[in-house]
Amino acid sequence: AQSVTQLDSQVPVFEEAPVELRCNYSSSVSVYLFWYVQYPNQGLQLLLKYLSGSTLVKGINGFEAEFNKSQTSFHLRKPSVHISDTAEYFCAVRGNKLSFGAGTTVTVRA
Amino acid sequence: DTAVSQTPKYLVTQMGNDKSIKCEQNLGHDTMYWYKQDSKKFLKIMFSYNNKELIINETVPNRFSPKSPDKAHLNLHINSLELGDSAVYFCASSQLDRRDTEAFFGQGTRLTVV
Repeated sequence: AQSVTQLDSQVPVFEEAPVELRCNYSSSVSVYLFWYVQYPNQGLQLLLKYLSGSTLVKGINGFEAEFNKSQTSFHLRKPSVHISDTAEYFCAVRGNKLSFGAGTTVTVRA
Repeated sequence: DTAVSQTPKYLVTQMGNDKSIKCEQNLGHDTMYWYKQDSKKFLKIMFSYNNKELIINETVPNRFSPKSPDKAHLNLHINSLELGDSAVYFCASSQLDRRDTEAFFGQGTRLTVV
């Protein structure tokens, strides 16, 4: 069995401020970890993924995530957000199947 | 070129009707999925097909029937539509034996049942 928990349902943030979105997972098998972004009225697109190796993963649009095996976490960060980062963010794990967290709504304000 | 395409993008229909949503992928993947996204943005997997064979069938009413004529297509037919079926339905595809690769998603079909 596997599950994904996104700890923040909504994150309001001012433009140019940093943001962190938290994700914890559990799985009885080895997993691969992903962050997807969903812009308004669009489908999901991949931000970044962790497969193995370095625990710090860099993705598109200035996002990065850190894998922490002992804490079973995969938190997403961006040091300075833009208005265009307003979107829904999903953490996902792929073990036997691809499972998503409940999503975090990020709203960037000027 | 669109990797995963769904039609239609919007679908408004009355309760009790039967409707279909089509999905096609040109990525050469062997596995396709249907996800339902509710009004709270929660994504729930409904079905998954691998090489035209059903491999995941979550707890979904049997009014929903997926059909995969070939590994590049996965359609979703819904009978006797209900108000609660209103949601955004996403099709996705991936390569089953490559768990390290991501799934690719279509743009979604917004279904509104009135």
